[in-house]
Amino acid sequence: EVQLVESGGGLVQPGGSLRLSCAASGFTFSSYWMHWVRQGPSKGLMWVSRINGDGSTTHYADSVKGRFTISRDNARNTLYLQMSSLTVEDTAVYYCVRAVATATRGPGYWGQGTLVTVSS
Amino acid sequence: QSVLTQPPSASGTPGQRVTISCSGSTSNIGSNNVYWYQQLPGTAPKLLIYSSNQRPSGVPDRFSGSKSGTSASLAISGLRSEDDTDYYCAAWDDSLSGVIFGGGTKLTVL
Repeated sequence: EVQLVESGGGLVQPGGSLRLSCAASGFTFSSYWMHWVRQGPSKGLMWVSRINGDGSTTHYADSVKGRFTISRDNARNTLYLQMSSLTVEDTAVYYCVRAVATATRGPGYWGQGTLVTVSS
Repeated sequence: QSVLTQPPSASGTPGQRVTISCSGSTSNIGSNNVYWYQQLPGTAPKLLIYSSNQRPSGVPDRFSGSKSGTSASLAISGLRSEDDTDYYCAAWDDSLSGVIFGGGTKLTVL
């Protein structure tokens, strides 16, 4: 069974930094693209970033480019999102999402999410 | 502002068939697969459809997806009260080099 458990969320001041983690189990982690998707309070879904299986290819939404960094540790089956220069607009639940399949890269299976609140 | 356009709301009665549309462009739906998600209140989204018309195991065949040109649709037949929730479409966008989501559709089962 695919399990994705996010952690690292919390309250941070504007301009601050935070690192999210996602512990994966139940599948061969290194074989899958992984995504971060966020959802602001009472808002829709917004894709943040994705990374390929060996970590060599990454993509970012324009709104986070240069501020967020996605990475992975395949030995630890863990996905990360390093966030810096945070603004109140980054307040959201952040979901770790596994690709549908090894050959289907889109977001498929979601973790339960971790809440990031940016406020002074 | 979402690049994929969904109606903000849809409705139907139990047993009815409803469709939710998702309109895009040649850089996203027109050239890439479409995904559909269901999100119950207070929970993470759940994958309903991938590759435009494929259902993951465990998703009832009441749910079906289709794509034509730069638009896609999610159809739900035999509507049930538990279908009363939010639905989102998504696709890769070649111009943005990123995944884009629709704004979401709130389905009400009357």
